[in-house]
Amino acid sequence: DAGVTQSPTHLIKTRGQQVTLRCSPKSGHDTVSWYQQALGQGPQFIFQYYEEEERQRGNFPDRFSGHQFPNYSSELNVNALLLGDSALYLCASSPKWPSGPNEQFFGPGTRLTVL
Amino acid sequence: AQSVTQPDIHITVSEGASLELRCNYSYGATPYLFWYVQSPGQGLQLLLKYFSGDTLVQGIKGFEAEFKRSQSSFNLRKPSVHWSDAAEYFCAVVPNRDDKIIFGKGTRLHILP
Repeated sequence: DAGVTQSPTHLIKTRGQQVTLRCSPKSGHDTVSWYQQALGQGPQFIFQYYEEEERQRGNFPDRFSGHQFPNYSSELNVNALLLGDSALYLCASSPKWPSGPNEQFFGPGTRLTVL
Repeated sequence: AQSVTQPDIHITVSEGASLELRCNYSYGATPYLFWYVQSPGQGLQLLLKYFSGDTLVQGIKGFEAEFKRSQSSFNLRKPSVHWSDAAEYFCAVVPNRDDKIIFGKGTRLHILP
């Protein structure tokens, strides 16, 4: 049983560009959350998707958007990249929102570098 | 402001020694509490969680944590560390049932041979 998978592993972009990151949840999970982890910091919640809708959102600007597909996989899009967007982006999946703070299973992350 | 505090950025212990990593939170009610571990280049793995009940929680890899309401703490412990425990450890809190999860800044654990 594959866990949470993310692609690509690493990505280098320049300021002003747009980027799309992808995530496939663990089998049996239907809820996907995205996190930004800057160097030396804990993960910060970006948003959560369930039934193809954004259900919760953290304190991130509208440049950050997402999508969930019928097969529960998800994309994170970031427009107009800034140097400060350089970070490890983590995807996590969990079963059956909303049923309380379920254990989340994390993928290995995508390392985004903005030059 | 509501927060999760891990006061120690780095901790170094000798292999075989005991370990305690501190976590304090500033939420009024009893939140949902978690400890995650992150090895280099890896995602986060859940070590243990506390929702209610017995305040001493057992987790994977020989870790345990104790919830102390009076101190707003949820410290992680291990009686004897192994070199493979070297990693970054994150305390996390969900203040109320449907709130988003909030992570501390992490404690990096170094193990001396």
